[in-house]
Amino acid sequence: QVQLQESGPGLVKPSETLSLTCTVSGDSISSYYWSWIRQPPGKGLEWIGYIYYSGSSNYNPSLKSRVAISVDTSKNQFSLKLSSVTAADTAVYYCARVWFGGDFDYWGQGTLVTVSS
Amino acid sequence: EIVMTQSPATLSVSPGERATLSCRASQSVASNLAWYQQKPGQAPRLLISGASTRATGIPARFSGSGSGTEFTLTISSLQSEDFAVYHCQQYNNWPWTFGQGTKVEIK
Repeated sequence: QVQLQESGPGLVKPSETLSLTCTVSGDSISSYYWSWIRQPPGKGLEWIGYIYYSGSSNYNPSLKSRVAISVDTSKNQFSLKLSSVTAADTAVYYCARVWFGGDFDYWGQGTLVTVSS
Repeated sequence: EIVMTQSPATLSVSPGERATLSCRASQSVASNLAWYQQKPGQAPRLLISGASTRATGIPARFSGSGSGTEFTLTISSLQSEDFAVYHCQQYNNWPWTFGQGTKVEIK
């Protein structure tokens, strides 16, 4: 059974960097692509980007200048950094496994990150 | 960026009835479309990929159809556990994009 678990601070100050980690269990992180997706309160889903175990990545152009996704195969984890955050970055952040051509078959439970001073 | 538009925003249906949800893409996404179900406080769950292929463990009452720009998710006979928000997502072009969701509520 594949499981994903997000971890990281639930509160980040404006202009600082949001950092989250996703720990994968039940599967090798070297087998698939892995993604971050977010959902502002009461709104729809937004794909942030994905990474492959080799380090190859792709980001949403709307966030590309502020986003970095990295992978640590030794820990079976991948991470998200989003810099210069504002209140608009307040959202539930999900990590997910990329399945087939780009859909997401396993998701973490999500973690709410609030940007506020 | 491909814009995904779902309709209606809210669908009121009685248990046992059929629900039909629509998703339209601003340009062709071929069959590279997925449907997800999301309940309050939970992560989305993959229902359909490739426009019409049910994900593992998804009941047969869920079916997807369409290609190009017009897609439909049909729930043949709504059960109590099916009342939720449904999202469509295209993965034909980067950035991958989602619709704004359709809430299926009890009538």
